[in-house]
Amino acid sequence: GESVGLHLPTLSVQEGDNSIINCAYSNSASDYFIWYKQESGKGPQFIIDIRSNMDKRQGQRVTVLLNKTVKHLSLQIAATQPGDSAVYFCAEIRGGAAGNKLTFGGGTRVLVKP
Amino acid sequence: KAGVTQTPRYLIKTRGQQVTLSCSPISGHRSVSWYQQTPGQGLQFLFEYFSETQRNKGNFPGRFSGRQFSNSRSEMNVSTLELGDSALYLCASSSVTSGGADTQYFGPGTRLTVL
Repeated sequence: GESVGLHLPTLSVQEGDNSIINCAYSNSASDYFIWYKQESGKGPQFIIDIRSNMDKRQGQRVTVLLNKTVKHLSLQIAATQPGDSAVYFCAEIRGGAAGNKLTFGGGTRVLVKP
Repeated sequence: KAGVTQTPRYLIKTRGQQVTLSCSPISGHRSVSWYQQTPGQGLQFLFEYFSETQRNKGNFPGRFSGRQFSNSRSEMNVSTLELGDSALYLCASSSVTSGGADTQYFGPGTRLTVL
């Protein structure tokens, strides 16, 4: 069926290094994609989104890349900090007749080592 | 702007009881969605409300219901609670218009424990 998934369940990264979190999706009709960060005991926090007609978008220390050819999404975090330790989810939205419904991937846990 | 708020933050109920959770969206947002998060199933969509109408529904039994008020605040209800209903229930609001899609912003969630 249609799904959004993540390749790596856990990613350990040294403080100061760059992190790359990957996500595969199967529905080419998605309008756009969102990355969320969830810390323990909190709700998912919006990080960045990208529309399906774009292939790259940058925010503060984060970059999202979208490769529609291979249906792949990635989140790059520059100079990873201890506060970046969390679970990261990718999600897709199709909109239109499907409504404003998010379909989430399974999540990747990022552990930042000091 | 204040973020999405959810009440209560924690709830403990017993099997067979019913529960009502509340969500206040970001001011100006008319779309409210509900999600269930469990370690085993991850984040799963329950339903979305827009302008007091349920616009989309996930694959949950009829024990799960919701509604939205004219001020966009939303409630969800779970009747005849089961142990498997223990989860973090998340509400998200969006500024989406009637025909589009837009980013959703989440509240802190309500942690429901069913004993």
